[in-house]
Parts: sequence; C-alpha cells; structure tokens
Amino acid sequence: EAGVTQSPTHLIKTRGQQATLRCSPISGHTSVYWYQQALGLGLQFLLWYDEGEERNRGNFPPRFSGRQFPNYSSELNVNALELEDSALYLCASSLVPDLGNTIYFGEGSWLTVV
Amino acid sequence: AQSVTQLGSHVSVSEGALVLLRCNYSSSVPPYLFWYVQYPNQGLQLLLKYTSAATLVKGINGFEAEFKKSETSFHLTKPSAHMSDAAEYFCAVSSDSGYALNFGKGTSLLVTP
Repeated sequence: EAGVTQSPTHLIKTRGQQATLRCSPISGHTSVYWYQQALGLGLQFLLWYDEGEERNRGNFPPRFSGRQFPNYSSELNVNALELEDSALYLCASSLVPDLGNTIYFGEGSWLTVV
Repeated sequence: AQSVTQLGSHVSVSEGALVLLRCNYSSSVPPYLFWYVQYPNQGLQLLLKYTSAATLVKGINGFEAEFKKSETSFHLTKPSAHMSDAAEYFCAVSSDSGYALNFGKGTSLLVTP
C-alpha cells in the first residue's frame, strides 16, 4: 500500500513568487496535515484538512493557504515567498480524526527561496 | 495547551550502550503521546505511541517508552544502541485544538563505534 506521497521533492523559488506543494494521503485517510520543518525550529503545525474543509491552522500568516480535493489529496500554497520560508514541508495523513490516531508522514518537499 | 519539551538537542552514545531520550509533557487533560524518528532526508516514522492503555509502551526497532504521570514524562529508551539508530527523534503530544500533533524540537542521536 502506498504511503503519503508528496511532490515536488525539491523546489527553488525567488522571493516574492508563489509555491505550490502537493500531497496524496494514504488510501482511506480523510485527514491531511501540513507541517513546516525549518532549520532549528522543529516541526511547526501549519494546516489541517478533513473532508475537504480547513479544520485548524497554526500560527502562520494568511499567505500560507491550501485546500483539500474531493479525492482527499491536498495542496499547500505559499504566496509572496520570503527567505525564511525555506524549509522542509511535510504532509501527513490519518484516518477519521480522533485523539490518539497515528498520523503518517510523507518524505517532504524541500522549498528553497532565493 | 498541550506541549512537550525534549531535554537535550544532541545525545551521543557508544554502540551497545543504553539510549535514553527525554521528553516531558504539559497537558491539562490525559495526553496521547508519540515518539517519531526521522532519518536523514526522510519523513517521520512512528516509533511508538501512548494512548492510556499500558504505561510501558513497546515500539519498533527495540525502542520502548514509559508514561509517568507523576513526573509528566515519556522518556524513550533502548537497551543497546546500533549504528543504524543515528537519527533525529521527536516527541509529540495530541493537540487540544483539533487532531494535529504538537512536536518537541527534536533530539539528534549520534551513535559512535
């Protein structure tokens, strides 16, 4: 069974541009989570989608947005890129959301802003 | 809000020695606690999780963790380190606002020959 898949693996963008990252969850999983892993900052929760709706977001500005499609895949958009947006962006998925549910991670997309 | 603190950003052990990675949690409700491992250039893989069943939780690759409410701790241990255990380890707790996890800053484990 395929795990969480993310694309692209690497992305280089110029400051001010927009970046789009994509994620396909494990088959049967309805929840998708996005995390940012910047150097020295650990994993920061960005967004949570379930059944096509944004359910919660972390402490990030509105230029970080996304959506979840009817097939439960998701994309993360980062507008007006800043140098400090350079990070590994991790997508994760889980079954119907419940406390204690395991969330499964993809291998991430490296975003470099120059 | 639920949070975890990992003590020690870097831990170095000799091959064959005990591995102890420390995690303390803060939670206003009974927590659900997790340990994940991240190998270089990879995503996170679940090692084990505590969901209020047994306080001693066994995970993959010989790791285990014990939930101690009195100490608000969930330390990760392995009796004998292997070179392949070198990685970044993250402790996490279920958020009280939705079902995402709140992660600690991670501990980098170095295993020396």
